[in-house]
Amino acid sequence: QKEVEQNSGPLSVPEGAIASLNCTYSDRGSQSFFWYRQYSGKSPELIMFIYSNGDKEDGRFTAQLNKASQYVSLLIRDSQPSDSATYLCAVKVPNAGGTSYGKLTFGQGTILTVHP
Amino acid sequence: DAGVTQSPTHLIKTRGQHVTLRCSPISGHKSVSWYQQVLGQGPQFIFQYYEKEERGRGNFPDRFSARQFPNYSSELNVNALLLGDSALYLCASSPTSGRADYEQYFGPGTRLTVT
Repeated sequence: QKEVEQNSGPLSVPEGAIASLNCTYSDRGSQSFFWYRQYSGKSPELIMFIYSNGDKEDGRFTAQLNKASQYVSLLIRDSQPSDSATYLCAVKVPNAGGTSYGKLTFGQGTILTVHP
Repeated sequence: DAGVTQSPTHLIKTRGQHVTLRCSPISGHKSVSWYQQVLGQGPQFIFQYYEKEERGRGNFPDRFSARQFPNYSSELNVNALLLGDSALYLCASSPTSGRADYEQYFGPGTRLTVT
């Protein structure tokens, strides 16, 4: 089982619709959860982070975390063509020493296409 | 404020050569991490440095090494390059280490091609 798995894509939604991106993780010790957006040929850009169960909203983006189910999702409301990109889910996993020094484990990414 | 900077932007090397990639973190950030991203995959963790000490190492061979300087900039060195080392190398900086809720910000990356 992969440490971080994302729903297979590509995902295609019409402009104005809600895009739903999902991610599951295997390590119950995971502490923090991040969503990055990566345009083709560019580096990842942080768009959301969450570390408590429940929802976190930022503009058109909502991150949802359920630690019991080891599940994190990203909803994009009113999707725009400019949202077309690869979305990467990343999980901060403690190292063997029990402290967390910044290792992010990424999923393989989900390609989102928003068509006019 | 300037973001994370990396140099060079692109690099073409031959198998067996070595390469040095450079990164300057966001001003005030003391932690630098290096990732390798192969086309079509998510970034893979290579190293993390905080206050000039190695704080984490990913599953990469000893051909990969790194260091952090007193001004918190960092270098990633790769020896005896293989074709499989062709990738986008990303540097990420963050303000703290050891907390559960800090964010990592990526630089533009260095595209390495090994022929």
